[in-house]
Amino acid sequence: DAGVIQSPRHEVTEMGQEVTLRCKPISGHNSLFWYRQTMMRGLELLIYFNNNVPIDDSGMPEDRFSAKMPNASFSTLKIQPSEPRDSAVYFCASRDQDRGMNTEAFFGQGTRLTVV
Amino acid sequence: SQQGEEDPQALSIQEGENATMNCSYKTSINNLQWYRQNSGRGLVHLILIRSNEREKHSGRLRVTLDTSKKSSSLLITASRAADTASYFCATAPTGFQKLVFGTGTRLLVSP
Repeated sequence: DAGVIQSPRHEVTEMGQEVTLRCKPISGHNSLFWYRQTMMRGLELLIYFNNNVPIDDSGMPEDRFSAKMPNASFSTLKIQPSEPRDSAVYFCASRDQDRGMNTEAFFGQGTRLTVV
Repeated sequence: SQQGEEDPQALSIQEGENATMNCSYKTSINNLQWYRQNSGRGLVHLILIRSNEREKHSGRLRVTLDTSKKSSSLLITASRAADTASYFCATAPTGFQKLVFGTGTRLLVSP
C-alpha cells in the first residue's frame, strides 16, 4: 500500500481564494482524521470521520472550513475564503477502527498551505 | 483544550546518551501513543501503550505510563544522530475514537 496520500504537497494562494486539500486514506481503513499544524498551536484535530460519517468537527475553526468524505477512499478539506492565518501544514491520517481502539494512525506527508 | 503537554520542549544530547521525554494529559484514556516527526514530514507511529499497561519496550524505546498521574515518558537509549526529530505523545480519550496530540519535544542528537 502507498500509505496515506495527500495532494497537493504545497499550495500558495491569495487571500480570499478557495483552497481544496485532498486525501486518500489507506485502503481498508475506516477512520480518517484532518489535523492542522502550526508553530503556535501545535497539532490540532480539525475533524474526524468514521465509515465516511463526520463524528466530531468541534475542531473546525470557522464556517470557512468544511470537510467531506464522499466515499471510503477520498476526503477533502475546503477553506473558502482563505485567510493568511490559515497558513499551516495540514495532515490527513487514517486508522483501521475495526481492529479496536488500540490501533495506530498513519499520516500522510501533509499539505503546506501558504495564504498571501 | 484536551491537548497534552510535553517537556522538555527541546532537548540536545550527544550520540550514545539517553533521551527522556515526558508527556502529561488531562483525561482518562484508552491508550497513549508516541509518534516521531522528521522536519517537513508526516508523523510516524513509534509505540502504543494501553491504559492497563505500565511499561512497554520496542528496540531502543521504553515507554512508561502512570494513569494516576496522567503522565507518560519515552526513553530512547543509546541515541543516534538519526534520532534527531520531534516526538509527540497522543492520547486516545476514553469513549472517543480520536487522537489528541501533545505539544511535542524537539530532540537534537549531535554526533
